[in-house]
Amino acid sequence: AQRVTQPEKLLSVFKGAPVELKCNYSYSGSPELFWYVQYSRQRLQLLLRHISRESIKGFTADLNKGETSFHLKKPFAQEEDSAMYYCALTLGGTSYGKLTFGQGTILTVHP
Amino acid sequence: NAGVTQTPKFRVLKTGQSMTLLCAQDMNHEYMYWYRQDPGMGLRLIHYSVGEGTTAKGEVPDGYNVSRLKKQNFLLGLESAAPSQTSVYFCASSRPSRQSSYNEQFFGPGTRLTVL
Repeated sequence: AQRVTQPEKLLSVFKGAPVELKCNYSYSGSPELFWYVQYSRQRLQLLLRHISRESIKGFTADLNKGETSFHLKKPFAQEEDSAMYYCALTLGGTSYGKLTFGQGTILTVHP
Repeated sequence: NAGVTQTPKFRVLKTGQSMTLLCAQDMNHEYMYWYRQDPGMGLRLIHYSVGEGTTAKGEVPDGYNVSRLKKQNFLLGLESAAPSQTSVYFCASSRPSRQSSYNEQFFGPGTRLTVL
């Protein structure tokens, strides 16, 4: 069965510092990877998906199939980035979009 | 356009009581999901539905039942609540996509359930 691991439960950085949230997955096939974010008092929402290779709010994530990782990076963290971040994967084919989530990382950006 | 709504927002139950959580979406999405969120475990899929009248088990279905009588509603039932079901419950919906990479789930605000 597939599994997503986020090794850091808590991550603290200062404003302007680089930040990297780690995500590793285990799956023998080719999953699709996502990052979801939950800001304080807001709903869980999609941040970015690996297929799009996009940068959202300054965040990027590269899928490394060799290392089975999908780390989320931002070169200069902002206070408004403080939130809970979830890495998630879905299988291809007829998986009906079901998501397997990691344990989540709480990011705190200090002023 | 309310998106995904959940009722109730909070609930406290005693062991053995039953209740139903309601999820409604106004985006005409085919797929709907129920997750539970527990500290240190992330979100885990309880049940899901790929269309009106269909339901299927997810990762942690025991102790829960679901129904999708109308496309816009997805109900989660607890027949006999247990303390282990204390959690935050999230409903989500999505539109089918040929390529799963583009499937985006839209989440409700959550229901915080405590079972004493």
